[in-house]
Amino acid sequence: KQEVTQIPAALSVPEGENLVLNCSFTDSAIYNLQWFRQDPGKGLTSLLLIQSSQREQTSGRLNASLDKSSGRSTLYIAASQPGDSATYLCAVSANAGGTSYGKLTFGQGTILTVHP
Amino acid sequence: KAGVTQTPRYLIKTRGQQVTLSCSPISGHRSVSWYQQTPGQGLQFLFEYFSETQRNKGNFPGRFSGRQFSNSRSEMNVSTLELGDSALYLCASSWLFGYEQYFGPGTRLTVT
Repeated sequence: KQEVTQIPAALSVPEGENLVLNCSFTDSAIYNLQWFRQDPGKGLTSLLLIQSSQREQTSGRLNASLDKSSGRSTLYIAASQPGDSATYLCAVSANAGGTSYGKLTFGQGTILTVHP
Repeated sequence: KAGVTQTPRYLIKTRGQQVTLSCSPISGHRSVSWYQQTPGQGLQFLFEYFSETQRNKGNFPGRFSGRQFSNSRSEMNVSTLELGDSALYLCASSWLFGYEQYFGPGTRLTVT
């Protein structure tokens, strides 16, 4: 059974800091990994999708890396801003013989607070 | 392009009642998945539909059911509601299973 763990559970940083969020998963047979952010009481916003064959993806100030063999992914946020305050979730989908189950297994999330 | 829409956004029901939630995926998306989010359990997968067929089902009791229509819109139904069913129910769509999933705003269900 796939288990996803995110560390730290909460993080508070001053504006402008670069920070790293960690995600680990127990079964390396993944199809892809997706990072999301969730604002309080809202749905999830997709940030980055990394296919299992990829090592990293970048979008603006965000960079996500994937080391499938060790079961780890990191989300790097450069020059953090108060607007980045949210819960960040990583999720993996299982590899079903070359295709994917659409099912995502989520970590518990990292609550990020960026203070001015 | 419009995002994933879910209706209703908020619901209050009484134990024992049933409820139907609706999800309209992004235009062109054929895969729809449902998730339950609670403070204690986090996000848990309910089921996934593609071309009107359920491809995958999570570990939930039979009181939870769903379906997908020919236009890819999906509904989920919960019968005989229990207090523990209070949660945010999220729907996600993607063009095809394994592609990037886009989530709707969710339906907040409160069971009293």
